[in-house]
Amino acid sequence: AQSVTQLGSHVSVSEGALVLLRCNYSSSVPPYLFWYVQYPNQGLQLLLKYTTGATLVKGINGFEAEFKKSETSFHLTKPSAHMSDAAEYFCAVSDLGSSASKIIFGSGTRLSIRP
Amino acid sequence: SQTIHQWPATLVQPVGSPLSLECTVEGTSNPNLYWYRQAAGRGLQLLFYSVGIGQISSEVPQNLSASRPQDRQFILSSKKLLLSDSGFYLCAWHEGAGGYTFGSGTRLTVV
Repeated sequence: AQSVTQLGSHVSVSEGALVLLRCNYSSSVPPYLFWYVQYPNQGLQLLLKYTTGATLVKGINGFEAEFKKSETSFHLTKPSAHMSDAAEYFCAVSDLGSSASKIIFGSGTRLSIRP
Repeated sequence: SQTIHQWPATLVQPVGSPLSLECTVEGTSNPNLYWYRQAAGRGLQLLFYSVGIGQISSEVPQNLSASRPQDRQFILSSKKLLLSDSGFYLCAWHEGAGGYTFGSGTRLTVV
């Protein structure tokens, strides 16, 4: 079974500061890992994904994440926060190799940006 | 290009009334389709998924059901809504290693 744990339901940083959102996963098969962003009353938008290959993944809006198998982590970072980054962020894991694959989400982290 | 449509965007329904939410996908064939629910202040819970017409898998026993009458159509239903059915419902489809694409969601309030 797969699972995702996001540490911190709410993170607040100052504009221009480093953003770090933590995600740890559990998977019995090589995982496919995702970060999604959700703005109020909207669907989820894919930020970035890791499937195979390079462990440092770059996504949209200046975000990146690093897959660390030894730590079972996939933390999301951005060097300099912008006010428009305020949103809910979800880490997710999937076994996309399966014909009936499912994506399992973490509980989410709400990111607030202080002026 | 592939797109996913979900409607209605918002819905207010009384307790005990029926529910039907529809999701359709364009630009692909035989997609895996999913229904998720997001309760207030909580993460996303997988409710149902379907790998083909008439094939429905339920993840959580509840007051809801799903159907897939056509290849690119996925419907979420209830015969009698409960207050606890309130939430944000998201439809998604699976596009291989690229991940999942989500609809814009339906905000359901049961009163």
